[in-house]
Amino acid sequence: AQTVTQSQPEMSVQEAETVTLSCTYDTSESDYYLFWYKQPPSRQMILVIRQEAYKQQNATENRFSVNFQKAAKSFSLKISDSQLGDAAMYFCAYRSASLTGTASKLTFGTGTRLQVML
Amino acid sequence: DTEVTQTPKHLVMGMTNKKSLKCEQHMGHRAMYWYKQKAKKPPELMFVYSYEKLSINESVPSRFSPECPNSSLLNLHLHALQPEDSALYLCASSQAQGLSYGYTFGSGTRLTVV
Repeated sequence: AQTVTQSQPEMSVQEAETVTLSCTYDTSESDYYLFWYKQPPSRQMILVIRQEAYKQQNATENRFSVNFQKAAKSFSLKISDSQLGDAAMYFCAYRSASLTGTASKLTFGTGTRLQVML
Repeated sequence: DTEVTQTPKHLVMGMTNKKSLKCEQHMGHRAMYWYKQKAKKPPELMFVYSYEKLSINESVPSRFSPECPNSSLLNLHLHALQPEDSALYLCASSQAQGLSYGYTFGSGTRLTVV
């Protein structure tokens, strides 16, 4: 079974600064997808960024980028120019690319709560 | 329409009540999911529907009964719940074949069992 580990329960960052959230995972599969989700106090889980394991290039979405190290099974999220609206719980998630079913399970890490300070 | 809509947003029910949670999407997604989330914890998968058929049941107690009447609608019927079932219940959907696109989540139903 796959596991996802987020070792930082809480992080804080000054507004306009950069912060990196860590995520490691364990899998025996070679093909999979990785995601970062944001959950603000409004409760809705919002997809921040995704990475296909077969792609060597790190994904980037505006101020959000990842450092994907497949051999090390590491998938960190970097938030640049942090804004107050970035304050939320961030979950790293894994999804198998296996097509044994038409839908596959999303496995979450335990989350990192990010505070953004003025 | 790029949303998953969940109703109600809040629900308080007694242990002898029967209630239902509703989830709707009009994105053409053929996979739909129920997750349970306790405070400060990650979501835990409960059920997966694929093309309106139940494909995964994560050993959920029978007091939770899912139903997928059509490709846009997912219900979760609740009966004889316990106080420990109080949680945020999240619905999500995804393209059944588009595994790289992640899920689209609703904003959840906050359930309190008294």
